[in-house]
Amino acid sequence: EAQVTQNPRYLITVTGKKLTVTCSQNMNHEYMSWYRQDPGLGLRQIYYSMNVEVTDKGDVPEGYKVSRKEKRNFPLILESPSPNQTSLYFCASSLSQNYGYTFGSGTRLTVV
Amino acid sequence: ILNVEQSPQSLHVQEGDSTNFTCSFPSSNFYALHWYRWETAKSPEALFVMTLNGDEKKKGRISATLNTKEGYSYLYIKGSQPEDSATYLCAPSGGKLIFGQGTELSVKP
Repeated sequence: EAQVTQNPRYLITVTGKKLTVTCSQNMNHEYMSWYRQDPGLGLRQIYYSMNVEVTDKGDVPEGYKVSRKEKRNFPLILESPSPNQTSLYFCASSLSQNYGYTFGSGTRLTVV
Repeated sequence: ILNVEQSPQSLHVQEGDSTNFTCSFPSSNFYALHWYRWETAKSPEALFVMTLNGDEKKKGRISATLNTKEGYSYLYIKGSQPEDSATYLCAPSGGKLIFGQGTELSVKP
């Protein structure tokens, strides 16, 4: 089944403890992207990647890192999580800008 | 940052009503315009991607039009059904894909 898989679905962690949210797609998509969704603020782009080893900042990149070493994976890294990073995170992928994005199921992160 | 405006913010209609929403975006640096449907507790789902001025796309009772010169797109739903209740998001892309705040549609039986 063609899909974007995010893990974990839910995570509660403490301030400052490094974490990684994984994202993997099995559709050979070039484009991958991370979004966070907060009440009243909609979906905001964190980072995106147009191909392997090509990444760029979205609108809210502070406090996040990404890497794209292989086409299928696009992990989101929080080196030192803070409570203001508590949010619902979505990974998405697409063949190109002319195609719709397929979204993962989301990761609900709570930083205490 | 692209300034994407969607209106109205929310809409309540009766089953069978037809409705439409607007997405406004800067016409410069335009590449494509995406529409997504986002049901509560699920992930956004792509409806349409349009690239050319004057493009019209249709999927069942839902259709969309695009005007790139003036920077707007309309989404139409004909004969709304309760299962159409969702938030409808538009997103222009030019490298990045920037989402509007969405229009929340509620269809009452």
